[in-house]
Amino acid sequence: AQSVSQHNHHVILSEAASLELGCNYSYGGTVNLFWYVQYPGQHLQLLLKYFSGDPLVKGIKGFEAEFIKSKFSFNLRKPSVQWSDTAEYFCAVTSSGNTPLVFGKGTRLSVIA
Amino acid sequence: DTAVSQTPKYLVTQMGNDKSIKCEQNLGHDTMYWYKQDSKKFLKIMFSYNNKELIINETVPNRFSPKSPDKAHLNLHINSLELGDSAVYFCASSQLRGHETQYFGPGTRLLVL
Repeated sequence: AQSVSQHNHHVILSEAASLELGCNYSYGGTVNLFWYVQYPGQHLQLLLKYFSGDPLVKGIKGFEAEFIKSKFSFNLRKPSVQWSDTAEYFCAVTSSGNTPLVFGKGTRLSVIA
Repeated sequence: DTAVSQTPKYLVTQMGNDKSIKCEQNLGHDTMYWYKQDSKKFLKIMFSYNNKELIINETVPNRFSPKSPDKAHLNLHINSLELGDSAVYFCASSQLRGHETQYFGPGTRLLVL
């Protein structure tokens, strides 16, 4: 079965600091990878996704993620965080067919002024 | 217009009661999902329907019964509510099964007393 690991449970950064959130998955076949964000009290929104092609994908709000197949990783990055980036970030993976979207346990990001 | 809507937004009820949560999507998507997010923010798929047909049914107690009257609606009925059912329930939809981007509703916060 697929699984997703997000190593950081809670990350606290100052504004303008750089961000990298780790995500590793366990599945040997072709995967589709996602990062979702959940702002406080809100629903999940898609930040970015990787299906195929360029392994460096750019998403909304200055986020990007790099798919490294050999490391089974899809880490999320942002060069300079803002207070408004405070949220819960979820990595998710699925493969072809009817397999469900499997989420990691989330990383809470707190950005302080 | 809201793409994926859920009602009610909040639901407080006593143990043993039966309750329903409704979900509607106006995106023209074929597939809809129910997720449960527990107090630790962990998101887990419960059900998935494609064109009114059940395609994913994870290990969920049979007190939970989804119903899809048409492909734009997926309702969740819960019988004999238990304390452990307290969570946020998210509905989502996607154009195709599983491996496409999913769009989430605002969530229904259920509290069982």
